[in-house]
Amino acid sequence: AQRVTQPEKLLSVFKGAPVELKCNYSYSGSPELFWYVQYSRQRLQLLLRHISRESIKGFTADLNKGETSFHLKKPFAQEEDSAMYYCALSGGFGNEKLTFGTGTRLTIIP
Amino acid sequence: SQTIHQWPATLVQPVGSPLSLECTVEGTSNPNLYWYRQAAGRGLQLLFYSVGIGQISSEVPQNLSASRPQDRQFILSSKKLLLSDSGFYLCAWRQLDRATGELFFGEGSRLTVL
Repeated sequence: AQRVTQPEKLLSVFKGAPVELKCNYSYSGSPELFWYVQYSRQRLQLLLRHISRESIKGFTADLNKGETSFHLKKPFAQEEDSAMYYCALSGGFGNEKLTFGTGTRLTIIP
Repeated sequence: SQTIHQWPATLVQPVGSPLSLECTVEGTSNPNLYWYRQAAGRGLQLLFYSVGIGQISSEVPQNLSASRPQDRQFILSSKKLLLSDSGFYLCAWRQLDRATGELFFGEGSRLTVL
C-alpha cells in the first residue's frame, strides 16, 4: 500500500521567514514524489517533482529515503506563496496510482 | 497543446437520482485518466483510475462507478446518489512518461446532493 502523510493542516508563516511543509510517505518500492499547489481560484498544478531536482518559485524538496520524507522548503516566504499544498506519491512505471496527502494550507502573514 | 474539459461545473441533484460527470482530454492519446474527490480536511481522495479503454481500477468501495468508453473520455456515474456523495470532483490525466509524470487537472465539478 502507498500512503502520504501531511501532518499539518494549517501553517501560518510571516513574510520573509523560512517555510517548511512536511510530507512523509509509505511505499515498498522506489517512489516518485511530487508537490502540487492550488492557488485561490486556480486549478491544482504541479509545483515540483523530486526526479527533476529543481527549484521552482524558490521552493525545493529533497527526497530522504531513510526518513521516508519529502519536505517542501523555501528560505524566505512571500505573500504570493499562500495556497493549498499537496504532497503526492506515484509508484512510477507499471504503477499508475497517484496518491495524495490531505494537504496543508499555507498562509503568509504580511 | 493538451487540454482537459470537465462538465458540468456545478450540479444539484436530489437523493436517489442518477449522476453522470464527464471528462474529456484533447491533444494527446492513450492518457492515464483519474477521478479524485476533494474534501476539506481529507485532501484528494483517489476514486478511480484508468490506463486504457475499458480498464478501470477502483480505489474506494462506494456508491460510484467509472467508465472509459473512448480513449480520451472518462465518466463518473451513480445510479442512486446519497447525501454523502456531495463534494468536489476532479478529473485528471497524465501521460505514461517516467521523465515527467505530471498530472493535469480539470477545473472540477461541484456536486450537491439534497
